[in-house]
Amino acid sequence: DAGITQSPRHKVTETGTPVTLRCHQTENHRYMYWYRQDPGHGLRLIHYSYGVKDTDKGEVSDGYSVSRSKTEDFLLTLESATSSQTSVYFCAITGEYNEQFFGPGTRLTVL
Amino acid sequence: LAKTTQPISMDSYEGQEVNITCSHNNIATNDYITWYQQFPSQGPRFIIQGYKTKVTNEVASLFIPADRKSSTLSLPRVSLSDTAVYYCLVGDVNNAGNMLTFGGGTRLMVKP
Repeated sequence: DAGITQSPRHKVTETGTPVTLRCHQTENHRYMYWYRQDPGHGLRLIHYSYGVKDTDKGEVSDGYSVSRSKTEDFLLTLESATSSQTSVYFCAITGEYNEQFFGPGTRLTVL
Repeated sequence: LAKTTQPISMDSYEGQEVNITCSHNNIATNDYITWYQQFPSQGPRFIIQGYKTKVTNEVASLFIPADRKSSTLSLPRVSLSDTAVYYCLVGDVNNAGNMLTFGGGTRLMVKP
């Protein structure tokens, strides 16, 4: 499972509140990614990181920020959650051949 | 990033071989082809990756013609547990910063 964990696994929150999701990896991978997946859609990249304090935007980055202060942790923050951010969020890392390994996901509901 | 086109869904029966084809007409010279499998409520799982001709592992085979504009994932003797969504992606494996775009995938239903 490439040693990837996500927390929390489920969260219900209210519109306008800040939310932080955590991705933790134990195998010192350089690249980490955050995706969201909605019904009827494939996965869409939010942000990714190519090293400590090195991050870049994906195709759906509006409303999200990320931080990576140490190799093993990649945080995704919703500064002010909206109902449109209700989704399943997946973290991923890149393996030896740049194939991706995904975490178990976080189901977020914004009421 | 090369765009991919796959069938939306496929049905099969247990014990049959299933072939899922992906079109990627704009594939670049450095692009590899990667397939993932996703079960409900789980993240995608890497199945197989290839550049040209044929690649086989314990799970599947990947056939890539000489022009590389398409590829076929072959699942031998499927079982009910192979019911899942299968995604085809193309990208430069030497550039992990590639933004990987997952399309809608192919929903495979295996029936008894």
